[in-house]
Amino acid sequence: DVKVTQSSRYLVKRTGEKVFLECVQDMDHENMFWYRQDPGLGLRLIYFSYDVKMKEKGDIPEGYSVSREKKERFSLILESASTNQTSMYLCASSPIGGWGNQPQHFGDGTRLSIL
Amino acid sequence: AQKVTQAQTEISVVEKEDVTLDCVYETRDTTYYLFWYKQPPSGELVFLIRRNSFDEQNEISGRYSWNFQKSTSSFNFTITASQVVDSAVYFCALSGALGDNNDMRFGAGTRLTVKP
Repeated sequence: DVKVTQSSRYLVKRTGEKVFLECVQDMDHENMFWYRQDPGLGLRLIYFSYDVKMKEKGDIPEGYSVSREKKERFSLILESASTNQTSMYLCASSPIGGWGNQPQHFGDGTRLSIL
Repeated sequence: AQKVTQAQTEISVVEKEDVTLDCVYETRDTTYYLFWYKQPPSGELVFLIRRNSFDEQNEISGRYSWNFQKSTSSFNFTITASQVVDSAVYFCALSGALGDNNDMRFGAGTRLTVKP
């Protein structure tokens, strides 16, 4: 069965800290995604990766960076955490190939609070 | 630009009622894909269905059914005889050209509460 695992369900950090959110998938998917979910705004794409060491900015990349050194792992980095980055963060993966866009498989989410 | 609107922020029904979740989309693409996901309280989004723009046939899967109408740019989701386990946030999503996964757009979500 498809599995996307996020390292923490809940995380509390302080303003100015460097924060790492980790995501691992076991499906050998090429694509991996980081979203943030806020009430009334749905899911907004932060960054996307379609291959190892490849990344593309999504809609709201400011204040974030990502790392994909191995196919199965996609890390989201908050360079200097701020209170407006308090949110639910969701990681997803999907395969490429085949006809049409494949559905994304999501992790359980990390609820991050920045104090 | 692509956009998905889920006008219903919250819906509350009593068990066994039927409920329809609305989804209206905007796109200039002729080829596009529509999705519905369910997010239960545990947090993980669960994929429910994908439709492409060339297939307007309605789909039924158990108590779930989807009504895709290109004329009104809508992709509505109906749960028949709702159950408490259906309580969740439901997201409608839209993506564009073939293989271009980074343009997926999600609606704001509809929180469905089914009361016993």
